[in-house]
Amino acid sequence: AQTVTQSQPEMSVQEAETVTLSCTYDTSENNYYLFWYKQPPSRQMILVIRQEAYKQQNATENRFSVNFQKAAKSFSLKISDSQLGDTAMYFCAFGPSQGAQKLVFGQGTRLTINP
Amino acid sequence: GAVVSQHPSWVICKSGTSVKIECRSLDFQATTMFWYRQFPKQSLMLMATSNEGSKATYEQGVEKDKFLINHASLTLSTLTVTSAHPEDSSFYICSARPGYGYTFGSGTRLTVV
Repeated sequence: AQTVTQSQPEMSVQEAETVTLSCTYDTSENNYYLFWYKQPPSRQMILVIRQEAYKQQNATENRFSVNFQKAAKSFSLKISDSQLGDTAMYFCAFGPSQGAQKLVFGQGTRLTINP
Repeated sequence: GAVVSQHPSWVICKSGTSVKIECRSLDFQATTMFWYRQFPKQSLMLMATSNEGSKATYEQGVEKDKFLINHASLTLSTLTVTSAHPEDSSFYICSARPGYGYTFGSGTRLTVV
């Protein structure tokens, strides 16, 4: 069974700083997807970024980028030029390569961006 | 993009009554729907997986008779909390996988008084 671990329950940085959220996972599969979701106070789950395991290139979406280390089973999220609107819970999640199978979530990291 | 519409957004009910939560896939067919429960400041906990036209698969520890799931069509899955009690108060979210990604409903905040 897959597991996802986020070891940072809470983080806090100043606006405009760069912050990195950690995530490790365990799986015996070779192909899969990894996701970072943001959950603001509205509690709507918002996809931040997605990485396909067979792609070596790290995914990037504007200010958000990942450091995907497949051998180490590590998937960290870097937020550059952090903004007040980035304040939210962030969840790392593991998904199978295909099929209607569940996402496995980490415990979450509560990120606060201070003005 | 694929959208899952979840209703109601919030509901308050009296102890002992039943509450139904609906999730509709608006622009795709959801053969499978995942139902999660989330306590404050915690992660999403999978309760059950529903499949269109068949019985739901419940996670260990989830009461099947309390949390009734119906997935009668490719666009509608429902979760009914039967004989609700204050300890059932929580945030419930549904999710489907229309492609390689997952899409989530907006969630339902249930308060049982």
